[in-house]
Amino acid sequence: AQSVTQPDIHITVSEGASLELRCNYSYGATPYLFWYVQSPGQGLQLLLKYFSGDTLVQGIKGFEAEFKRSQSSFNLRKPSVHWSDAAEYFCAFSTGTASKLTFGTGTRLQVTL
Amino acid sequence: DTGVSQDPRHKITKRGQNVTFRCDPISEHNRLYWYRQTLGQGPEFLTYFQNEAQLEKSRLLSDRFSAERPKGSFSTLEIQRTEQGDSAMYLCASSLGGGSNQPQHFGDGTRLSIL
Repeated sequence: AQSVTQPDIHITVSEGASLELRCNYSYGATPYLFWYVQSPGQGLQLLLKYFSGDTLVQGIKGFEAEFKRSQSSFNLRKPSVHWSDAAEYFCAFSTGTASKLTFGTGTRLQVTL
Repeated sequence: DTGVSQDPRHKITKRGQNVTFRCDPISEHNRLYWYRQTLGQGPEFLTYFQNEAQLEKSRLLSDRFSAERPKGSFSTLEIQRTEQGDSAMYLCASSLGGGSNQPQHFGDGTRLSIL
């Protein structure tokens, strides 16, 4: 079955520390991959996307993600976290003509000062 | 680019009542999607439109749910005879054209609470 797994439900990091959020997908081919961020009571904002080509993609707010085909992973990273990065982060992929997104269950990031 | 707009932001209603939500996509976007997000979960696909045509519906969309997109602009999602299990955030997204490489832009959602 097609699915996205985010193994970490909740992560706490100190401001200024580095961050890595894990994402694994299950799909028969390489899907289009996305990371979205959601602040409480808000919709989702696109951080970055991977379609093809360079496996390291840059996004907004200093985030980057690396696609690893051999591991079916698309982990999100940031070298130095800011308190304003505290939010829920969702990994997703889209496939087929509908382009509907399949989301993981999310990782809640807490940032301590 | 004014973004995707959803109305209302919050809706509280009694079980058994009908509710309708509206979504205004980004103006040049011809694809419009509806998702449902329950607490602690990621959004789940409900349905999508290409212009005014509804092209796919999830099995999550029971016969109490109906969505329309007249004239290919704004869309409405109606839930009839609401049930407790309908309590969720309903998210609308739009994208430019088809193809899985077109990113979807989300509105802030409508949070539905069933008393």
